[in-house]
Amino acid sequence: GAVVSQHPSRVICKSGTSVKIECRSLDFQATTMFWYRQFPKQSLMLMATSNEGSKATYEQGVEKDKFLINHASLTLSTLTVTSAHPEDSSFYICSASFGRYTEAFFGQGTRLTVV
Amino acid sequence: ELKVEQNPLFLSMQEGKNYTIYCNYSTTSDRLYWYRQDPGKSLESLFVLLSNGAVKQEGRLMASLDTKARLSTLHITAAVHDLSATYFCAVDGETSYDKVIFGPGTSLSVIP
Repeated sequence: GAVVSQHPSRVICKSGTSVKIECRSLDFQATTMFWYRQFPKQSLMLMATSNEGSKATYEQGVEKDKFLINHASLTLSTLTVTSAHPEDSSFYICSASFGRYTEAFFGQGTRLTVV
Repeated sequence: ELKVEQNPLFLSMQEGKNYTIYCNYSTTSDRLYWYRQDPGKSLESLFVLLSNGAVKQEGRLMASLDTKARLSTLHITAAVHDLSATYFCAVDGETSYDKVIFGPGTSLSVIP
């Protein structure tokens, strides 16, 4: 299957700082990328959907000013957690697909810890 | 709004036994996925089911899809300890962005 690389795999940051997570499709062009958040022992919750060159669509309850998503190219999407707080600590996972009726492929995930 | 349910949420079974995990979803969908997640890891794709009556098998796992009943099953045959993990079904909703909605997951523990 296609490869999606997420970086970093783990990050610890201080409360109030911002953290950027990258999601890259390595061997295909991803027209759509998805960002999920997963709390311990819970399912994946979709945060937002981004299409290359357009604004991301955020799910209800997700603060767009806090979780900035940029999908500047067909191989890269970034999620920036701004002014992070301890409650933002979670496992963030991206996935990417190259179009409708195609499977989305998942990155390795990023474990964010805000101290 | 698309909702996805799984049953059971927790499953403890002995090695060698068979069991089925059920996945129900609330609206029509193009595709259904099954994933495996090990602790601290991301998702591993197991099956992609694209049509009514689809059945796929890989090793001790077999998945099926009934789009009329909006039901998918993941059947485990002669379980082994290595199958211990959390299993998620996910459904592709009929939206312009094809967002994938996940079920709550089934935590499977296979006991020797």
